[in-house]
Amino acid sequence: DVKVTQSSRYLVKRTGEKVFLECVQDMDHENMFWYRQDPGLGLRLIYFSYDVKMKEKGDIPEGYSVSREKKERFSLILESASTNQTSMYLCASSLHDRVTEAFFGQGTRLTVV
Amino acid sequence: AQSVTQPDIHITVSEGASLELRCNYSYGATPYLFWYVQSPGQGLQLLLKYFSGDTLVQGIKGFEAEFKRSQSSFNLRKPSVHWSDAAEYFCAVGPMTTDSWGKLQFGAGTQVVVTP
Repeated sequence: DVKVTQSSRYLVKRTGEKVFLECVQDMDHENMFWYRQDPGLGLRLIYFSYDVKMKEKGDIPEGYSVSREKKERFSLILESASTNQTSMYLCASSLHDRVTEAFFGQGTRLTVV
Repeated sequence: AQSVTQPDIHITVSEGASLELRCNYSYGATPYLFWYVQSPGQGLQLLLKYFSGDTLVQGIKGFEAEFKRSQSSFNLRKPSVHWSDAAEYFCAVGPMTTDSWGKLQFGAGTQVVVTP
């Protein structure tokens, strides 16, 4: 089975802290994604990576950065966390193929206080 | 640009009753369509997908969906709902350009509540 693992299920951070969310997939997928999920807004794409060291902004990249040094790992970085970044963060991976689905991790519930 | 609309934010259904969740898409050609389910506190799990061929697609957990090109719809159905079907359901559409292969556009989701 495809497995996408996010390092934390719950995180509480203080305003201004630098926050790292880690995601690892074990299926050799080219694509990896970070989404943010908020009630009534569905999933919004923050960043997308289709190869090591390659990244592409999604719909809401402001306040976030990403790192992909190895194919299996994709990190989301909040340079200076703010309360409006309190949310559920979902990592996903997929093949770089037109006909493919995405596989999701369990999510990280981040609270910024 | 592609888009996905789930008109119903919230649906309440009795256990044992049928369920239909609506999904409409805006796309230039035949899209690749997906339904995902998210149980409370969990990630998203794929229920079913449509790429081509038979427009009635069977998925896991007893769900099915029908692609109707004329209505730009991909509605999800289950004949008899179980209490464990209480969850949030997301419709998604796949990409049409080479540089975005693998990226999905998600609807806002429909929350399903199941009553005894």
